[in-house]
Amino acid sequence: EPEVTQTPSHQVTQMGQEVILRCVPISNHLYFYWYRQILGQKVEFLVSFYNNEISEKSEIFDDQFSVERPDGSNFTLKIRSTKLEDSAMYFCASSSHKNTEAFFGQGTRLTVV
Amino acid sequence: KNQVEQSPQSLIILEGKNCTLQCNYTVSPFSNLRWYKQDTGRGPVSLTIMTFSENTKSNGRYTATLDADTKQSSLHITASQLSDSASYICVVSALHTNAGKSTFGDGTTLTVKP
Repeated sequence: EPEVTQTPSHQVTQMGQEVILRCVPISNHLYFYWYRQILGQKVEFLVSFYNNEISEKSEIFDDQFSVERPDGSNFTLKIRSTKLEDSAMYFCASSSHKNTEAFFGQGTRLTVV
Repeated sequence: KNQVEQSPQSLIILEGKNCTLQCNYTVSPFSNLRWYKQDTGRGPVSLTIMTFSENTKSNGRYTATLDADTKQSSLHITASQLSDSASYICVVSALHTNAGKSTFGDGTTLTVKP
């Protein structure tokens, strides 16, 4: 069964460093998303991406964040100058159409020290 | 402001018993409602998705109901198993936004004990 894959599963980085989280969405999906879940809290929407551009973003998704689809398969989230409060699980998801269910990856646990 | 509220916050039941989780929402205009199961440290997995015209949908031992008039949904789990222990998240989408920018509930943490 097709699935969304994310790498790495766990990333530890020093405060102020840049990190890139990687995702391979399901191959025939057209809509891609990033979410964040701080430990013990609910899932929060960060950004959606369609047709090679951001279609929607939340207030969390400020200039520190950027997304890219560098080739036909990968979808990346870059966090510049990480802060301690960026420590969270980051989930990538994809969907085939605008308002159909989103399939989630297993997440990348980011720890900023 | 769009909101999704779930109850109870947590629930403990014995294996084999049934349970019902609740979701109330104020998302408008309504497009669809989804229930996800999230195991600890894993990504959410979709259980059901319902649109305005659907008032019940089943997926194995999971049955979701939707009352679009009262803006309430429930997830009923029948004959619970130890593997049902997880967080169950209600997610509601509004029209004219894509599924990604949905409103997530805080989840109900279900623990099934032997």
